[in-house]
Formats: sequence, structure tokens, C-alpha cells
Amino acid sequence: RKEVEQDPGPFNVPEGATVAFNCTYSNSASQSFFWYRQDCRKEPKLLMSVYSSGNEDGRFTAQLNRASQYISLLIRDSKLSDSATYLCVVTRWTGNQFYFGTGTSLTVIP
Amino acid sequence: GAGVSQTPSNKVTEKGKYVELRCDPISGHTALYWYRQSLGQGPEFLIYFQGTGAADDSGLPNDRFFAVRPEGSVSTLKIQRTERGDSAVYLCASSLHSGTSGGNEQFFGPGTRLTVL
Repeated sequence: RKEVEQDPGPFNVPEGATVAFNCTYSNSASQSFFWYRQDCRKEPKLLMSVYSSGNEDGRFTAQLNRASQYISLLIRDSKLSDSATYLCVVTRWTGNQFYFGTGTSLTVIP
Repeated sequence: GAGVSQTPSNKVTEKGKYVELRCDPISGHTALYWYRQSLGQGPEFLIYFQGTGAADDSGLPNDRFFAVRPEGSVSTLKIQRTERGDSAVYLCASSLHSGTSGGNEQFFGPGTRLTVL
């Protein structure tokens, strides 16, 4: 079983829509959680860390459910510039090795 | 520069040749990571350095792959006897430190796109 699983999409949504991505992880000992964004042919860039209490950064909200072992990312009021691949990342208890999902592709349509 | 840099940005080589890929991490970052990303996949962990030592090399696919970080800053990923299956984007990342406390967020370089003909 893969360490991290994501629905690859693609998700095609109109501007202004709300879209949610989920990601599940297999190792209950996982410690740190992140969402990264990757534009086409570019490197991954940190979008936000995910905390147990949930956290929000502008239009983006991340949630962690340890009991069900999933992480979610909610994007409100989608912009064209949000079009990218969103990568879910989980670390083991050491925090060193990042396990990436395959990414979920989002296209925001005018 | 302020970010992670990698050279070359593109490398085309022939099957069987030796290649070196370089990574220059963010100044002051003690932890350095190498990943490999194939089309349509997320980055796959290869090796992690804490300072000069390879703390975890469990992701290296075989003994043709080797990496060094002799002075605890710049790192070189070395691939011997390249094979067509080695073609991928090789990404380097650094973090302020490792572990599970704050500061373990990884910042990525632009990658080296390796093509083995």
C-alpha cells in the first residue's frame, strides 16, 4: 500500500468555486503534514503546513483527521492562478523523509 | 541567491555514461534532501543529509547512485552507468533542520531534468 494516496483528478472548476482535495496516509505514526503546490515543469512550493487543530491561510483551509488518517485542503473563491498540481506530504516520526502523493491536478476555468 | 539552486538545469547523456548533479542549499540550512520525480508522479525520496553525513539513504534505487556533501553545504548526486530508466527530474531540497518540530519544512530547487538516450 502506498504511503500517501491522492485522487489525481483532474479537477476542472469555474472561477469563484470552492474545491476540496483529500489525501489519505497509511502510517498512523506519521507526524508532520503539508500541502505543496507544483506548477507545470516547476519545483514544488510549500503551500501550508497542516496542524491537528486545522489551519487557514486566506482562501485556503487545511484539516487533519488523525483518527481516519486523512488530510484535506479546501480552496474557496478559486482564482485562475490557483491552477496547479497540489501535492499532499506526510512525514514519519523522524520528520526527515517526506512522502509525497502523486498530486491532484486543478484547473480553474474562466 | 536566497533559494536552493541546482545545476545543470538540463542534462542529456548517453546510456552508460556517468553524470553529476549539483545542489546548493539555502544558506544556514543543515538538512539536505534529494528526490526524483517522474512524469505524473510525486517526488520520490532518494537520500537525506544532516550536515556532512548521509543520515538516510534508503531511497537510493541501487549502487549506481551515490551522493556526497563533504562540507555540509553543497551536495552532489552521482549516477554511474546511466540507464534510460534514470531519466527524470532530480530535485534537491533543504530545510533549516530536520525532525518534527518547526523548521522542517523543505524548500525545493528548480531541479535538473536528466535525459538518458
